[in-house]
Amino acid sequence: QVQLVESGGGLVKPGGSLRLSCAASGFTFSDYYMNWIRQAPGKGLEWVSYISRSGSTIYYADSVKGRFTISRDNAKNSLFLQMSSLRTEDTAVYYCARVSLGRRDFDYWGQGTLVTVSS
Amino acid sequence: QSALTQPPSASGSPGQSVTISCTGTSSDVGGHNYVSWYQQHPGKAPKLMIYEVSKRPSGVPDRFSGSKSGNTASLTVSGLQGEDEADYYCGSYAGSNNSVVFGGGTKLTVL
Repeated sequence: QVQLVESGGGLVKPGGSLRLSCAASGFTFSDYYMNWIRQAPGKGLEWVSYISRSGSTIYYADSVKGRFTISRDNAKNSLFLQMSSLRTEDTAVYYCARVSLGRRDFDYWGQGTLVTVSS
Repeated sequence: QSALTQPPSASGSPGQSVTISCTGTSSDVGGHNYVSWYQQHPGKAPKLMIYEVSKRPSGVPDRFSGSKSGNTASLTVSGLQGEDEADYYCGSYAGSNNSVVFGGGTKLTVL
């Protein structure tokens, strides 16, 4: 069955860095576009970043552009999010989500990993 | 892009129907049929319930249906059951940069 498992979250000080990982299994990872989506405590969902199947096309939300870097390793079935210059407003649960084939919705989500930015 | 507009709460009694709206603009909801709905129980990941305005993924009960008129999409839950109590989010492809914009979420309470 399809599984997405995030890791790497934790407590970090403002200005610090953190690298999130998402391990995929149960499907051919290289066939799918992937995204990171976050949810601040008690708030709604916010799209963060998109990466194409090969990794050649990448997009970011304006709120993270220049600070976050998305990447993937298809050989290891893994998605990454390198976060730097973290701000308190980046505090959120970060989900990796798979884009449905041929569509523009997210058919599978990981369980999320909590990132807390606080001094 | 600005978030889509959803009512913060909705409620209904078991067996009743409830409709949740999601209002955007001609650049997102009104510009195409890539509108989706997600259900989220407390502490859990979102789950896809409706895609492309009105299509249901395999395994989603047919009590859930979606529609769209102009810049407003709607999710209707018929025959409400206790397990339907959750937060519901709409999402729409926003065109540029393959971005997606979400609504603020609606908390559905089954009375």
